[in-house]
Amino acid sequence: AQSVTQPDIHITVSEGASLELRCNYSYGATPYLFWYVQSPGQGLQLLLKYFSGDTLVQGIKGFEAEFKRSQSSFNLRKPSVHWSDAAEYFCAVNTGTASKLTFGTGTRLQVTL
Amino acid sequence: ETGVTQSPTHLIKTRGQQVTLRCSSQSGHNTVSWYQQALGQGPQFIFQYYREEENGRGNFPPRFSGLQFPNYSSELNVNALELDDSALYLCASSFGVANYGYTFGSGTRLTVV
Repeated sequence: AQSVTQPDIHITVSEGASLELRCNYSYGATPYLFWYVQSPGQGLQLLLKYFSGDTLVQGIKGFEAEFKRSQSSFNLRKPSVHWSDAAEYFCAVNTGTASKLTFGTGTRLQVTL
Repeated sequence: ETGVTQSPTHLIKTRGQQVTLRCSSQSGHNTVSWYQQALGQGPQFIFQYYREEENGRGNFPPRFSGLQFPNYSSELNVNALELDDSALYLCASSFGVANYGYTFGSGTRLTVV
């Protein structure tokens, strides 16, 4: 069965610093991979997705993610974090033919000024 | 273009009662999926509806049921509420059953006392 691991429960970075959020997945074939962001009390907003092709994916709000098959990873990055980026970030996997998304447990990002 | 709207936003119910949550899908979307997000956890897939039929179900008991209407809106019904049903319930819509990226609503916060 597919699964997603986000090893970091909570990360704190200073505004303007770079950010990398880790995501590892377990699935036999190439999955469809997603990153979502959730602000307190809100639903989920899609940041970016990977289906195939170029392994470096650009998303909204200046985020990017890189798919590394050899490491079963799909880490999210941003070169310079803004205070408004403070939120919960979820990595998710879908096989493309199944109907469900499997989410990780999330990483809470705190940004200090 | 309207997004996904859910109602109500908050709800308090007593253990053993029944509850109905509602979701209007984004314009142009014909598939609705429901997720349960317990506090501090990632969303868990409940089920998906496509063309008014259930099209995939997660590991939830039969007291969780749903409907999809001809206008693609959907309801989630939960019978015999338990304390552990307290969670944020998220509705997501998409076009077709293959997941190329859902649009999520802001959710309904259900508290069972």
